Amino acid sequence: DAGVTQSPTHLIKTRGQQVTLRCSPISGHKSVSWYQQVLGQGPQFIFQYYEKEERGRGNFPDRFSARQFPNYSSELNVNALLLGDSALYLCASSLAGDGLRGYTFGSGTRLTVV
Amino acid sequence: RKEVEQDPGPFNVPEGATVAFNCTYSNSASQSFFWYRQDCRKEPKLLMSVYSSGNEDGRFTAQLNRASQYISLLIRDSKLSDSATYLCVVNDPGGSYIPTFGRGTSLIVHP
Repeated sequence: DAGVTQSPTHLIKTRGQQVTLRCSPISGHKSVSWYQQVLGQGPQFIFQYYEKEERGRGNFPDRFSARQFPNYSSELNVNALLLGDSALYLCASSLAGDGLRGYTFGSGTRLTVV
Repeated sequence: RKEVEQDPGPFNVPEGATVAFNCTYSNSASQSFFWYRQDCRKEPKLLMSVYSSGNEDGRFTAQLNRASQYISLLIRDSKLSDSATYLCVVNDPGGSYIPTFGRGTSLIVHP
């Protein structure tokens, strides 16, 4: 069984550009959450989607947006990139989005903004 | 006050030692709790859930103290391979069950 897959694994962008990160959850999981992790900190919540609807949004600017597709995969978009957006972006998959059994993370996309 | 607080460490312990980490949370209505392990430059992986009655998995024991609003992780007989960052995670209610992560506690087990 494939786990949570994220693409690309690494990305270098320049300030002002836009980026799209992709995530495929574990088969049968209907919820996807996105996190940003900067060095030395815990993951910070960005978005949660369940059954293609947004169920939660963290304290991030409107430059960050996401969506979930009918096959439950998800994309995270970041516009007008800033140097401070450099981080590891993690996607987490769960069966129902209630978090009662924990989440499974993908290996992440490491974004560097120069 | 941060929602989930952890001592970042690092905790430096010799092999075979027993080490304990605590994590405090601010929302008394929080419903579920977890410990995750994160190796350097890797994704977090679920280590164990934390149940009200406490639970044990081999050398690892997790406890929940609702009155004082903290959870703990005890590692007995530390191994070199236990070296990692341990993240405390708290699920808050309110319809969306968004898990909130602490910043993690770094553990270094040395020979």
